[in-house]
Amino acid sequence: ELKVEQNPLFLSMQEGKNYTIYCNYSTTSDRLYWYRQDPGKSLESLFVLLSNGAVKQEGRLMASLDTKARLSTLHITAAVHDLSATYFCAVRPMNYGGSQGNLIFGKGTKLSVKP
Amino acid sequence: NAGVTQTPKFQVLKTGQSMTLQCAQDMNHEYMSWYRQDPGMGLRLIHYSVGAGITDQGEVPNGYNVSRSTTEDFPLRLLSAAPSQTSVYFCASSYLTSGGRTQYFGPGTRLTVL
Repeated sequence: ELKVEQNPLFLSMQEGKNYTIYCNYSTTSDRLYWYRQDPGKSLESLFVLLSNGAVKQEGRLMASLDTKARLSTLHITAAVHDLSATYFCAVRPMNYGGSQGNLIFGKGTKLSVKP
Repeated sequence: NAGVTQTPKFQVLKTGQSMTLQCAQDMNHEYMSWYRQDPGMGLRLIHYSVGAGITDQGEVPNGYNVSRSTTEDFPLRLLSAAPSQTSVYFCASSYLTSGGRTQYFGPGTRLTVL
């Protein structure tokens, strides 16, 4: 069974602190995505990670990928209130559904950054 | 570019009614898909299309039909609405073969079935 598991599902943190969201997946994949969703809004693409050891950074967010461990992390540095949102990872499984576009999503991590 | 557009934004149906959720994109993307999002869940793939005239089922296709007569449009039809189909529906599109290009999501349609 294809599974994408995010940990934690809920995260409350104070401004200025650091934290990491984990995304484990159960299938071979050649592509991993991170999305952000604000309440009542659509999904906004944050990162696409294509290869083992890939690291991408945008502002206070940094994503990495370890394909051997089937693990991606989203690290938050010095959190600010504006980062409050739900973060999803999604995996494109190889040999799944006959399409290169199909994604399997995690359940999301709801992040709340408090002053 | 308008990107991915969806209509309507909100819809309330009675059990047994049918309707079509509209999705259009102006980016000339080959790949389009429909997802549903339920509380506490990630997105689950309903149907997808890799080009005009080609569609296939995703993870949760039952109760839904799709067609793709043009590159731009990918409507989702609910044949006989059920309360279990109450959800938020997202349409997405992307280039099919690409090194790392992401999917673009529409704003969503919030559907309630009574």
